[in-house]
Amino acid sequence: AQTVTQSQPEMSVQEAETVTLSCTYDTSENNYYLFWYKQPPSRQMILVIRQEAYKQQNATENRFSVNFQKAAKSFSLKISDSQLGDTAMYFCAFTNNNDMRFGAGTRLTVKP
Amino acid sequence: DGGITQSPKYLFRKEGQNVTLSCEQNLNHDAMYWYRQDPGQGLRLIYYSQIVNDFQKGDIAEGYSVSREKKESFPLTVTSAQKNPTAFYLCASSIVLVSSYNEQFFGPGTRLTVL
Repeated sequence: AQTVTQSQPEMSVQEAETVTLSCTYDTSENNYYLFWYKQPPSRQMILVIRQEAYKQQNATENRFSVNFQKAAKSFSLKISDSQLGDTAMYFCAFTNNNDMRFGAGTRLTVKP
Repeated sequence: DGGITQSPKYLFRKEGQNVTLSCEQNLNHDAMYWYRQDPGQGLRLIYYSQIVNDFQKGDIAEGYSVSREKKESFPLTVTSAQKNPTAFYLCASSIVLVSSYNEQFFGPGTRLTVL
């Protein structure tokens, strides 16, 4: 069974600085997809970024980028120029299109 | 506007009562999902359905039931057999593609509290 581990329950960062959230996963599959979701205090789940496992190039979406290390089964999220609106729970997720597995989440606080 | 709606936003129930949470989508998605979220834990899959009149158990299906009579609707019933039903419940939907990822879109959630 696939598992997703986020080892940082809470993190904080100063506004405008950079922070990296960690995620590791375990699977025997070769084709799969990885996601980072953001859940702000409203509790609406918002997709931040996605990565296809067959792509070697790391995905980037504006201030958000990932470091995907397939051999190490690692999928970290880097947030550059952190903004107050980035304060939220962040969930790493894995899917092989059968079901989706989520990590326990990292609570990120951006401090002014 | 296309999207997923869940109602109600907050729900209270007395112990021993069944309660049904609503989930509706107008995205024309084939697949729908129910997740449970507890503090300090990620989302855990309760049930999912990839086609009308068919659904599969997730990791924590005990004490829950679902139906999928229409493509746009996937109600979840929390039965009295669920030992600890107080939680935040999220519904999601996605298209079903074999050759690409099936991004899930989430509703706003329902907070269920058992008194």
